[in-house]
Parts: sequence; C-alpha cells; structure tokens
Amino acid sequence: GAVVSQHPSWVICKSGTSVKIECRSLDFQATTMFWYRQFPKQSLMLMATSNEGSKATYEQGVEKDKFLINHASLTLSTLTVTSAHPEDSSFYICSARSPPTNTEAFFGQGTRLTVV
Amino acid sequence: RKEVEQDPGPFNVPEGATVAFNCTYSNSASQSFFWYRQDCRKEPKLLMSVYSSGNEDGRFTAQLNRASQYISLLIRDSKLSDSATYLCVVPGGGSQGNLIFGKGTKLSVKP
Repeated sequence: GAVVSQHPSWVICKSGTSVKIECRSLDFQATTMFWYRQFPKQSLMLMATSNEGSKATYEQGVEKDKFLINHASLTLSTLTVTSAHPEDSSFYICSARSPPTNTEAFFGQGTRLTVV
Repeated sequence: RKEVEQDPGPFNVPEGATVAFNCTYSNSASQSFFWYRQDCRKEPKLLMSVYSSGNEDGRFTAQLNRASQYISLLIRDSKLSDSATYLCVVPGGGSQGNLIFGKGTKLSVKP
C-alpha cells in the first residue's frame, strides 16, 4: 500500500528557534498533502492543505507566517514552525490520499514537537 | 450539529464483549466514510472504509445510515489488542480531499 514517511518523529527545541518537518510520499505522487495538529486528548485538526507548485491553503486561525509550508515536488512537503513557543508543542502529522481521492488517507508517523 | 461528532467514552469492556460506537456527521452530501484506529502517540491507521450501507471485516462491522446521518462501528469478541481510540472520519467536502476527524472514542478492553 501507499506509504507516507514523516521526519523527524520527535524533536525538542528551544523557544524562538525554527523546526522543519518533512513529509514524503514514497510510492505515489501527491499533488496535495495535508498537515494536521493534535493536542493531547483532542482530535486531529487540519492546519493547512499543501499544494504542489502553489501556495498552501491555511485553515482559519492558523498563522501562515508562523507555519511555513513548502511543497516543491510531487513527493515532498515541508512544514516549518518558525519562532516556536511552548504552546506550539504538539503532535504534527501529515497525510496524503493517493488517487482517486475517495481512497483512504495515508499518514506519516507524526512528529512530536516539544518547545522548551 | 458539529461536522463529525462521537461519544468520547471511555468504553471499558471485558475481553470477549461486543461494543458499538456511533458517529454523526453534518454533511449530507458525503459519500464515503472511514473508521480509523489511533494508538497512543501514533498516527491513525485505517480500520474500515464505508461507501454504501455498510462493511464487514472479521470481528468489525461498520454500518451507515444516510437518512439519520450516522455511522456505527461494532466490534465483536473484543480483544485486549483492540484497546485504542477509534476515529470517525468524513470527507471535508472540499475539492482537495481533506478529511474531517471526530474527536475519537476511547476503548479499553480489560482481561
């Protein structure tokens, strides 16, 4: 089946620094990838939709200047958390749906970010 | 009505029990539905897809009621390894294929 790989699986960073998370589709081309965030005991919340070759679409309340998304190729999307603060500590997870779009979504392993 | 709503539980059941979860959704145009399983600190994994009235896979049965806009998941003969959070997932309605997740129902199967 389709595989989505996310890296790193966990990261601890100092407040004020930036962290980049990579999401790769390993055996299919993904023109669209999705970035979610999950706080403890909460559901996955869509942050943004990453579109290959164009600007990402951000959900309401998500700061586009803080969460930079780049989708430069059909197999790689990156999320950069800029000037991270402790409240950004969360579980970040990407997903992609292999064509046709009514098939299941495949998820990366997730990245647990802790900002200290 | 919230886009996707689930009873958060927790459901604490003994091994061998039958347990059912319900999920309601607001978008009446949704055509496909999914149940995902998420273990603690792990990514969600697909358990079942539901495209018509229902689906069955071994001990797991999913049923869809379009008139009432709810989906159910039935687990028979529950195992310790079934302990997890079960997420009801519905397409977001956008053209790009995003999914809307329920908050999940936590299941704990005890010996």
